[in-house]
Amino acid sequence: TQLLEQSPQFLSIQEGENLTVYCNSSSVFSSLQWYRQEPGEGPVLLVTVVTGGEVKKLKRLTFQFGDARKDSSLHITAAQPGDTGLYLCAGFDNYGQNFVFGPGTRLSVLP
Amino acid sequence: DAGVIQSPRHEVTEMGQEVTLRCKPISGHDYLFWYRQTMMRGLELLIYFNNNVPIDDSGMPEDRFSAKMPNASFSTLKIQPSEPRDSAVYFCASSSPPPGGTDTQYFGPGTRLTVL
Repeated sequence: TQLLEQSPQFLSIQEGENLTVYCNSSSVFSSLQWYRQEPGEGPVLLVTVVTGGEVKKLKRLTFQFGDARKDSSLHITAAQPGDTGLYLCAGFDNYGQNFVFGPGTRLSVLP
Repeated sequence: DAGVIQSPRHEVTEMGQEVTLRCKPISGHDYLFWYRQTMMRGLELLIYFNNNVPIDDSGMPEDRFSAKMPNASFSTLKIQPSEPRDSAVYFCASSSPPPGGTDTQYFGPGTRLTVL
């Protein structure tokens, strides 16, 4: 059983469309991170959210941490082919003992 | 800084052979992590070190796997003997958590291991 679940598993959209991907857990997390991984590369950190209800924006990307700190979402506005990649959420559980990654959402943005 | 350096980038070996993967963390980072990534299981933490000392190796799959960090600038992950099910991409990451802050891990480019 995954401590972090992500949905959808795969997403293929046209350039210019908006999309949202989700990261969920039955456990409370002290913080959650979002990484993007491009083919042949390691994951790269996009953002860290630490406060329940927090919203962070990074250009066309909007990240939200749920009030109960059990879930997070990533919304991309006007997706571009350069957004293609594997989006991973990760975090420490509330005890700070375990750092885990979700299985990822594989996004493909077609020109 | 050149970032986290891993070698080799690709390794193809035969079942039963010993495999050694290498990692050079970012200078000044005191945490080092080894991960394995497969399509089936995603990204799994194998082991991590703090100041060259192994802290948690609960993710190491079995005794065939071992990891060392002889100094702050070098770590190895060894598989002996290797098996086909070890085929995966192995990542090394390093970090230096800020006081009271949240850690950022910097990943290397990975080593793609194929065991025939």
